[in-house]
Amino acid sequence: RKEVEQDPGPFNVPEGATVAFNCTYSNSASQSFFWYRQDCRKEPKLLMSVYSSGNEDGRFTAQLNRASQYISLLIRDSKLSDSATYLCVVRNTGFQKLVFGTGTRLLVSP
Amino acid sequence: GAGVSQSPSNKVTEKGKDVELRCDPISGHTALYWYRQSLGQGLEFLIYFQGNSAPDKSGLPSDRFSAERTGGSVSTLTIQRTQQEDSAVYLCASSLANGGMRADTQYFGPGTRLTVL
Repeated sequence: RKEVEQDPGPFNVPEGATVAFNCTYSNSASQSFFWYRQDCRKEPKLLMSVYSSGNEDGRFTAQLNRASQYISLLIRDSKLSDSATYLCVVRNTGFQKLVFGTGTRLLVSP
Repeated sequence: GAGVSQSPSNKVTEKGKDVELRCDPISGHTALYWYRQSLGQGLEFLIYFQGNSAPDKSGLPSDRFSAERTGGSVSTLTIQRTQQEDSAVYLCASSLANGGMRADTQYFGPGTRLTVL
């Protein structure tokens, strides 16, 4: 079982839709949580960090449930430019390395 | 400012040859990381440098893989006697790693796409 699990998708949604991605992590020592975005054949880029109280950045909202070891990302009013792979990422206590999920692919169509 | 740079962007080699991949981190970033991404796989951690030392080498898949960092800046990942399963995109990242929350952000380079024939 992978340490960080994501539904690979693809999620096909029309422009303007709201879409949610979920992610679970197995290591209770995980202390930092992120969503990265990766466009096709490009490097991953940080979308947002995920804080315990939940946080929002424009159309994007991230939630963390430590008890269930579950992270979510909500995208409202989807744009064509949101089409990408979204990577759920954790960092465990005492380590600097990031542990990545395999990603969830999002396709937004006109 | 300049981001993380990597060279070459693409490398095709024959099985059994050695390859060197280079990473130039963001200026002032003390931490440097190597990851690789194989087709259909997530990103896998290889090695982490803090300054010139490597406190975590746990992701290196075999003794054919080695890395060094000099002057607290440029790093080189070397793969000896390449095998076909080494084909992947090798990504380098850097971070400030000075203990602050924002310091944890890892910024990735564009990667080197390695193909072993």
